[in-house]
Amino acid sequence: NAGVTQTPKFRILKIGQSMTLQCAQDMNHNYMYWYRQDPGMGLKLIYYSVGAGITDKGEVPNGYNVSRSTTEDFPLRLELAAPSQTSVYFCASRSERAYANYGYTFGSGTRLTVV
Amino acid sequence: KNEVEQSPQNLTAQEGEFITINCSYSVGISALHWLQQHPGGGIVSLFMLSSGKKKHGRLIATINIQEKHSSLHITASHPRDSAVYICAVPAGGNKLVFGAGTILRVKS
Repeated sequence: NAGVTQTPKFRILKIGQSMTLQCAQDMNHNYMYWYRQDPGMGLKLIYYSVGAGITDKGEVPNGYNVSRSTTEDFPLRLELAAPSQTSVYFCASRSERAYANYGYTFGSGTRLTVV
Repeated sequence: KNEVEQSPQNLTAQEGEFITINCSYSVGISALHWLQQHPGGGIVSLFMLSSGKKKHGRLIATINIQEKHSSLHITASHPRDSAVYICAVPAGGNKLVFGAGTILRVKS
């Protein structure tokens, strides 16, 4: 099925460990986003990309890195995990055409716990 | 920066009731999004609207651009409608700012 695929679904990290959250979409969307969701809070934008080779910071980029070498893939890297990064992470994508007319497609989320 | 406020934060309804969730924002926008987050965590885009009203099944979304306000209505609510409903508006560039969500529980 077409959509946004995120892996893994769950992960427990120890403080200081590193990991990469994977995100892939097969809809040929240029725009891709990484959000984190903390309890009782709205989704916060970490990083986004408007096309292969182009990335930019969102509201809460500290502690994360991204790359966009292909249209399909947008991995999120945590270099030195901290307890403050315990959250649920969502990847999303959308078409570049007429922003106001097209919705977003979200991945199923990655629940990350840093202990 | 656009601020988004949703009300109520929590809502419990009996099956069959008419439900209204509200969203207000501070800066004029081109379009507003309503999203649904299932208990399992997945997020689905319900509506994107820039004026008037949109309807999909038992869900109706309205927006008043002048008043900077949108409502999401659910008619004949059902326990399967239990979810978190989130509104989001543009934050400049290619980004959205999200409300904190309304937690809806429909009891049978």
